Amino acid sequence: SQQGEEDPQALSIQEGENATMNCSYKTSINNLQWYRQNSGRGLVHLILIRSNEREKHSGRLRVTLDTSKKSSSLLITASRAADTASYFCATDKGAQKLVFGQGTRLTINP
Amino acid sequence: EAGVAQSPRYKIIEKRQSVAFWCNPISGHATLYWYQQILGQGPKLLIQFQNNGVVDDSQLPKDRFSAERLKGVDSTLKIQPAKLEDSAVYLCASSHSTTGELFFGEGSRLTVL
Repeated sequence: SQQGEEDPQALSIQEGENATMNCSYKTSINNLQWYRQNSGRGLVHLILIRSNEREKHSGRLRVTLDTSKKSSSLLITASRAADTASYFCATDKGAQKLVFGQGTRLTINP
Repeated sequence: EAGVAQSPRYKIIEKRQSVAFWCNPISGHATLYWYQQILGQGPKLLIQFQNNGVVDDSQLPKDRFSAERLKGVDSTLKIQPAKLEDSAVYLCASSHSTTGELFFGEGSRLTVL
């Protein structure tokens, strides 16, 4: 079963704009992770946020977590063409068992 | 550091045939995962190993899918007999016991005709 649900399913923006993707989940988690997947490739880990954290930064990425609303958001600032990919959230309820959402397809237009 | 290795990258078979995928995780990673990713969807966990023991295989269709991780290192995933709906990318991932993040291979793309 899919725990995380990403929104929107697809997002198309101009290069240089910011992109925001959201993830909602249903049950308590230990941590939430975001991954990127370029077409035809494996997934690449971007950032992990633990249940007792509210915000985390990594370069142009900013992730927030609201456990009361069971939701997270991923913000990519100053987008580049190379950011074009699918982005997935994954929830870890324990034992490092990750459940992935359906993903957001992000397209950056030059 | 070498990444997660998977083979073959591509495989085309007819329905009712069998296929096997191989995965070599990152050295020292105790946990190994097999995910199935159907086109346009997120990865779905098939089986999770901790060393050579199974942690979770609740979503593995055991009538046709089998997986093993002998000696707690390499793993193979087998499908026999294959069905049309098994067409997907099979992703192997591994993780260290303390960090929590998964490292994925490039995947094995299966087409069942």
